[in-house]
Amino acid sequence: DGGITQSPKYLFRKEGQNVTLSCEQNLNHDAMYWYRQDPGQGLRLIYYSQIVNDFQKGDIAEGYSVSREKKESFPLTVTSAQKNPTAFYLCASRPTISNQPQHFGDGTRLSIL
Amino acid sequence: GESVGLHLPTLSVQEGDNSIINCAYSNSASDYFIWYKQESGKGPQFIIDIRSNMDKRQGQRVTVLLNKTVKHLSLQIAATQPGDSAVYFCAEGVAHKLSFGAGTTVTVRA
Repeated sequence: DGGITQSPKYLFRKEGQNVTLSCEQNLNHDAMYWYRQDPGQGLRLIYYSQIVNDFQKGDIAEGYSVSREKKESFPLTVTSAQKNPTAFYLCASRPTISNQPQHFGDGTRLSIL
Repeated sequence: GESVGLHLPTLSVQEGDNSIINCAYSNSASDYFIWYKQESGKGPQFIIDIRSNMDKRQGQRVTVLLNKTVKHLSLQIAATQPGDSAVYFCAEGVAHKLSFGAGTTVTVRA
């Protein structure tokens, strides 16, 4: 099946550790996105990439980093500089031709030990 | 900054009735609007979208209405079913970058 796979589903981080969240898509989409969702709130954009080897900061990029070495992969690293990393992280992708909706994975829930 | 919001955080509806979920947006430059449904522990699922050159679009049991004069977006669900219980988000912007509202939780009563 074509889709977006996020792993792991649950992740725990110790204070001072960096952790990397995986996002893989086999939809042949050019653009990929990372969002953060906190309880009772909408999605906030962390980073996005419209093409391989290029990415832009979203609204809340501080404490996060990404890479886009392959079209199908867009991993997100939550660094120790992110002081409040506990949240639900969502990855999305879309084709870049015309107005097409973003399609989402099922998220990774990150918690601090 | 610009924001997207929903008028009501919760909506309770009787099974079989029609549901209307409202959303106000503030960025008059937005040219694309979209509704998503999110079930607990899952990612948002695309429902329907509409461009700014349209005022109405219909899908299967759903209709989106766009009123650019008052910057208002609504989602109508016909004959609401128990499986429609979820959080519904509106989003606006240009397609490569969206701004999301906080969501409306819809609960369907049997």
